[in-house]
Amino acid sequence: AQSVTQLGSHVSVSEGALVLLRCNYSSSVPPYLFWYVQYPNQGLQLLLKYTTGATLVKGINGFEAEFKKSETSFHLTKPSAHMSDAAEYFCAVSDGDNFNKFYFGSGTKLNVKP
Amino acid sequence: DAEITQSPRHKITETGRQVTLACHQTWNHNNMFWYRQDLGHGLRLIHYSYGVQDTNKGEVSDGYSVSRSNTEDLPLTLESAASSQTSVYFCASSESGTGIVYFGPGTRLTVL
Repeated sequence: AQSVTQLGSHVSVSEGALVLLRCNYSSSVPPYLFWYVQYPNQGLQLLLKYTTGATLVKGINGFEAEFKKSETSFHLTKPSAHMSDAAEYFCAVSDGDNFNKFYFGSGTKLNVKP
Repeated sequence: DAEITQSPRHKITETGRQVTLACHQTWNHNNMFWYRQDLGHGLRLIHYSYGVQDTNKGEVSDGYSVSRSNTEDLPLTLESAASSQTSVYFCASSESGTGIVYFGPGTRLTVL
């Protein structure tokens, strides 16, 4: 089974600063990697998805993530944080044997300071 | 627009009672999932289904059951509610092969 580790349960940045949320997954490359965002009192929404091909994936709201096989990482970045980015972010991977089964990280809460 | 709905959105119950949380999706997806979300644990998979009459246990299935009698619905039943099952429950669905999961709005369950 896959495991997903998100470093830092809380990250705080100033408005306009770089956002970096870290995600590492267990060995063997999974077919799919994802980032989801959860706004307060809502379900999760897809930010971006990596399958195969280009290692830099662009998502909604200016976010992007880079897949690094050698580091088994899929970190999420945004060049300039906006107040509306404050939310909880979850990294997810599909099962290596069954890509219709998914594992989620424990989440990182992003706080954006004015 | 296609969507996933969950009911109730909030539920308070007592220890030992049977509780059923409803999930209905209009995406016509074969795959459906139930997750619970707890502080510090993120989302943990309870049960999942890849089609009608198919159900599978996830990593935290003890005390929960599901049934899939049609494509649209996957109700989650807590056989005898325990305080440890106080949580936010999310239903989700996905289309086979796309890898994209769509989530419902969640049900906040409190077991007293």
